[in-house]
Amino acid sequence: EIVMTQSPATLSVSPGERATLSCRASQSVSSNLAWYQQKPGQAPRLLIYGASTRATGIPARFSGSGSGTEFTLTISSLQSEDFAVYYCQQYNNWPPAFGPGTKVDIK
Amino acid sequence: QVQLVQSGAEVKKPGSSVKVSCKASGGTFSSYAISWVRQAPGQGLEWMGGIIPIFGTANYAQKFQGRVTITADESTSTAYMELSSLRSEDTAVYYCARGYGDYVGLTYYYYYMDVWGKGTTVTVSS
Repeated sequence: EIVMTQSPATLSVSPGERATLSCRASQSVSSNLAWYQQKPGQAPRLLIYGASTRATGIPARFSGSGSGTEFTLTISSLQSEDFAVYYCQQYNNWPPAFGPGTKVDIK
Repeated sequence: QVQLVQSGAEVKKPGSSVKVSCKASGGTFSSYAISWVRQAPGQGLEWMGGIIPIFGTANYAQKFQGRVTITADESTSTAYMELSSLRSEDTAVYYCARGYGDYVGLTYYYYYMDVWGKGTTVTVSS
């Protein structure tokens, strides 16, 4: 089974700054990677699929890149509503697997 | 826009079973994949298994094989997840999620999930 890792575990960022989150797969997942945002007490929300395609209604400040084993989620200018936990998920291999998450909090 | 409405919170004794429902409203259900994902308190997301209602075929993560049963009723657009032999470690929020997927050979691959239920809290305690 593929193991997903994310770094850093916690990222402290000031509003308006850029945030860069990393996700790594233990073997290649091609571009079959999704990103989710989860706020406390809420269900996850799909942000990105296919490594770089924004889901419906997701603001342009969210962008994804990478392929193979290394992926990045970038939030270009953090808004107050962006402080949350972000998970990556591979779906190239069975079973689908999530990373442990990166918490983005206010600096 | 489809919504997934889950059943209410449950408190169960160790060794018992729980069955959580997930009803789709406002959109199509059968041709998508329905996954079940759980989240223990303060922990990350864990994929348990899924079903493609139009095929009636369920698949389970190895960790839950033998303990979880996922079914779907197309007539009511409802999916169910039953977890048996409950232990304290099963205390978690259980989410259903609609997603995409495809067959690769004989295996159905579950892709990303774009619509999520609000979650059902299951507490296992004596």
